Amino acid sequence: QVQLVQSGAEVKKPGASVKLSCEASGYTFTNYYIHWVRQAPGQGLEWVGIINPSGGDTTYAQKFQGRVTMTSDTATSTVYMELSSLRSEDTAVYYCARMSHGLGPFDYWGQGTLVTVS
Amino acid sequence: EIVLTQSPGTLSLSPGERATLSCRASQSVSSNSLAWYQQKPGQAPRLLIYGASSRATGIPDRFSGSGSGTDFTLTISRLEPEDFAVYYCQYYGGSPRTFGQGTKVELK
Repeated sequence: QVQLVQSGAEVKKPGASVKLSCEASGYTFTNYYIHWVRQAPGQGLEWVGIINPSGGDTTYAQKFQGRVTMTSDTATSTVYMELSSLRSEDTAVYYCARMSHGLGPFDYWGQGTLVTVS
Repeated sequence: EIVLTQSPGTLSLSPGERATLSCRASQSVSSNSLAWYQQKPGQAPRLLIYGASSRATGIPDRFSGSGSGTDFTLTISRLEPEDFAVYYCQYYGGSPRTFGQGTKVELK
């Protein structure tokens, strides 16, 4: 069965960086793009960006340009998202999600990783 | 960027009642690239509807989606206790992907 398993909660100081992981299993890793979405406490969903695990090409939301880097490791079927220059407003649950075939919706989600900046 | 506006913000209903949720886009959504997700507290979102009206795998038929262009609707025909949650619409036809602000369906 398809699974996306994310790394554990993080607590960071303002100005620091955080690198989150999302390990995929149950499908061919290189065949599906992965998105990152975040959700601040009590708030809605915010798209961060997308990575093609096969070629490594990425597209980031304008808001995060210059602060976010997404990478993939095909050997371990894992994608990573690094966010730098953290501020308190970055406190959120970060989800990875698989994009279904083509230009599709997000059909499988990770369990989320809470990042606290304080 | 396509901005999605959901209404109402909160819907207070009883089990067995019909829920009608609205999602309006700031410009026409290409190829009906509109999805609906359900999110319960402490859980990741779950895909319900894609292509505006197609149910995702395993989604009960009491959930239905309709609409095109800029106006979309999610209908839950008869609310079950497990349906009380927050629902988000999403545009996925290009970047940036965008989400509506959510509609909370709460127990009356």
